[in-house]
Amino acid sequence: EVQLLESGGGSVQPGGSLRLSCAASGFTFSSYAMSWVRQAPGKGLEWVSAISGSGGNTFHADSVKGRFTISRDNSKNTLHLQMDSLRAEDTAVYYCAKGDHGGYGWGLLTDWGRGALVTVSS
Amino acid sequence: QSVLTQPPSTSGTPGQEVTISCSGSSSNFARITVNWYQQLPGTAPKLVINNNNQRPAGVPDRFSGSKSGTSATLAISGLQSEDEGDYYCQVWDDSLNGPVFGGGTKLTVL
Repeated sequence: EVQLLESGGGSVQPGGSLRLSCAASGFTFSSYAMSWVRQAPGKGLEWVSAISGSGGNTFHADSVKGRFTISRDNSKNTLHLQMDSLRAEDTAVYYCAKGDHGGYGWGLLTDWGRGALVTVSS
Repeated sequence: QSVLTQPPSTSGTPGQEVTISCSGSSSNFARITVNWYQQLPGTAPKLVINNNNQRPAGVPDRFSGSKSGTSATLAISGLQSEDEGDYYCQVWDDSLNGPVFGGGTKLTVL
């Protein structure tokens, strides 16, 4: 059974940093692309970042480009999202999601974690 | 950038069939596949339809998907109270190099 468990959420002031992690189990982690998707309070889903299975390819939405960095440690089956220069509009629940293959596999998100809440406020 | 339009809300009574539409504004919408996600209150999204009309393992056959031209549809037959929640369509966006989601449709079971 695929399990994805996010951690690292919390409250931070504007301009601050936070690092999210997602511990994966139940599948061969390095064989699948992974993604972060966020949901602002009462709003819809917004794709944030993605990384290929090998970690060699990463992409970010324009809204976070230059501020967020996605990475993965395949030896530890863990996905990360480093979030810098945080803004109030980054306040959201951040979901870790598994793609359907290792290349550009984040076009189909087959499994999702329960999410981590990030609140950016002074 | 692809824009997906969904009705904000819909409703039905137990046992009824409801449909949720997803319209694409991109010129290549007709050539791309649509996925659907269900988000029950207070929970994470869950994939219920992939590649226009495929049901992942464990998804009841009450859920079905179709696509024609620039519009896709999620149908839920034999509506149950536990189907109440939000439903999102999603496609791949070349300009984004990532997935784009519709605004979501809130399904209420009366």
